Amino acid sequence: DTEVTQTPKHLVMGMTNKKSLKCEQHMGHRAMYWYKQKAKKPPELMFVYSYEKLSINESVPSRFSPECPNSSLLNLHLHALQPEDSALYLCASSTQVSPSGGYTFGSGTRLTVV
Amino acid sequence: LAKTTQPISMDSYEGQEVNITCSHNNIATNDYITWYQQFPSQGPRFIIQGYKTKVTNEVASLFIPADRKSSTLSLPRVSLSDTAVYYCLVGEVGANNLFFGTGTRLTVIP
Repeated sequence: DTEVTQTPKHLVMGMTNKKSLKCEQHMGHRAMYWYKQKAKKPPELMFVYSYEKLSINESVPSRFSPECPNSSLLNLHLHALQPEDSALYLCASSTQVSPSGGYTFGSGTRLTVV
Repeated sequence: LAKTTQPISMDSYEGQEVNITCSHNNIATNDYITWYQQFPSQGPRFIIQGYKTKVTNEVASLFIPADRKSSTLSLPRVSLSDTAVYYCLVGEVGANNLFFGTGTRLTVIP
């Protein structure tokens, strides 16, 4: 398995809702990431997990709460979002020892906040 | 982290070779150069990675001069399906803080 799987593919939520985005990989990668991408902009790094521990938080508002239950799963819990949080949310994973191959990205969750 | 500069957009006709250059003047000794391709509403896809000279795979070639302050992604005989945004990134292998620059939007014209 050489994929990163993200669910759901599309999500519409109200500003008072609580929802979660899920990401799964079975490549044995021990680093996992959340990126946010607005239309016609590059992906922006949000969070990095290394060996199931949060290692980087790029000053993301607390209404976004990441969780890494195990080495294969990564969640992003959403609460009280704003319309400007509407974007494509990308999950990625990588091995930290391989000299090549880069990161593997999922296809993303298209989030719309209404 | 080394900052990268790429052209915002490029157009090319089908069947032509396309060269996209990336400038990274403050690249560090341990940094590698990696290129990603992204189609609309999909995640970026790894294309190629290199440290110096030339790297070639089944999809592209990457040319890196001796001073490593720039790199060129070469796509041979592009087709309409190569229309995408191409990102050049510079960083240490295994570094877990991958930052994307603005990228180059390539449009292949019939």
